[in-house]
Amino acid sequence: GQNIDQPTEMTATEGAIVQINCTYQTSGFNGLFWYQQHAGEAPTFLSYNVLDGLEEKGRFSSFLSRSKGYSYLLLKELQMKDSASYLCAVRERGRDDKIIFGKGTRLHILP
Amino acid sequence: DSGVTQTPKHLITATGQRVTLRCSPRSGDLSVYWYQQSLDQGLQFLIHYYNGEERAKGNILERFSAQQFPDLHSELNLSSLELGDSALYFCASSLQGGAEAFFGQGTRLTVV
Repeated sequence: GQNIDQPTEMTATEGAIVQINCTYQTSGFNGLFWYQQHAGEAPTFLSYNVLDGLEEKGRFSSFLSRSKGYSYLLLKELQMKDSASYLCAVRERGRDDKIIFGKGTRLHILP
Repeated sequence: DSGVTQTPKHLITATGQRVTLRCSPRSGDLSVYWYQQSLDQGLQFLIHYYNGEERAKGNILERFSAQQFPDLHSELNLSSLELGDSALYFCASSLQGGAEAFFGQGTRLTVV
């Protein structure tokens, strides 16, 4: 089975940088996603990592280490609109194709 | 707009009833995933269909069933509804082997 862990809540200041960690255990790994979800809305795609290393996309970057079962999402130049939940999700390899989500990290941005 | 359409947006029904939630995936996407999200809970994987065939099941109750039709739209059927089934139900679609799964806006089900 799969197990995905991420902190429940984090707080950061507008303009600062925050790193949200995610650790996972899976029987077969075929990629890791980060999604942003505002309360009551649909998750929106932020990033996808399948190989080790850092993927940068504007203010957001995502890192993956497959050997450590570890990823992080880095948000720079925080804005108030970044207050949301950030969901780490893992895709299993093989025919049994599931995308399993962690419980999410609720990020609060303070002015 | 993700291109994934879910109907209805809101649904209020009584315990013991049966409802059907509908999802139209993005054009060209063969995979449809269904998720349940209760208040302050994470996204719980229910089921995955690919090109009409069931591919994976999560913690889906026996009272729940789904199917994907030849035109690739999918329906999630919830029966003998209980108060605890009140939640947001999302579907997501993706290409075969695609990197992204795109989510619909969800159906908010309230069981009273």
